[in-house]
Amino acid sequence: EDQVTQSPEALRLQEGESSSLNCSYTVSGLRGLFWYRQDPGKGPEFLFTLYSAGEEKEKERLKATLTKKESFLHITAPKPEDSATYLCARENSGGSNYKLTFGKGTLLTVNP
Amino acid sequence: DVKVTQSSRYLVKRTGEKVFLECVQDMDHENMFWYRQDPGLGLRLIYFSYDVKMKEKGDIPEGYSVSREKKERFSLILESASTNQTSMYLCASRVLHRELFFGEGSRLTVL
Repeated sequence: EDQVTQSPEALRLQEGESSSLNCSYTVSGLRGLFWYRQDPGKGPEFLFTLYSAGEEKEKERLKATLTKKESFLHITAPKPEDSATYLCARENSGGSNYKLTFGKGTLLTVNP
Repeated sequence: DVKVTQSSRYLVKRTGEKVFLECVQDMDHENMFWYRQDPGLGLRLIYFSYDVKMKEKGDIPEGYSVSREKKERFSLILESASTNQTSMYLCASRVLHRELFFGEGSRLTVL
């Protein structure tokens, strides 16, 4: 069964305190690894897609990286407005490759 | 701007009622999806559709059905709502192998 595991479940940071969120996945057949941000009561908002080990993508204070078995979302000098739940999801390269399988998310709180 | 629109943000229904959740996308996407999201369980796929009139079961299809008569519209149907179907329902669409675009969600409470 395809698994996506995110850690930690929750993370509290002070404004300006950099950290990383982890997303690990079962190794076989990864076509793409996706990161989303979700604010309370809203639908997830797309951030990044990573396709191959070694790939990196950046947007403002966020940088996503991918290895052969996990992805990291690095948050540099976070601000309170970065507080949200961050979700990762995988797409398989074979079988039922229409769908994304999501992790349970990391709830990030950034205190001023 | 790309858009996935869910017809109702909040619904309250009674046990045994038939419930329709409607979703429309304006991006001409082939693939459409219904997920439910519950605390501690994350996003779980109910059904998806890869073309008009085509559908496949996701991970938790029991108690649900879907309809896709037009490319832009994907409906989720609860034939007889039960309290364990109280949840946030999220519709999404995509081009194959690209990112999912989500709607704002429909929070359903079944009493």
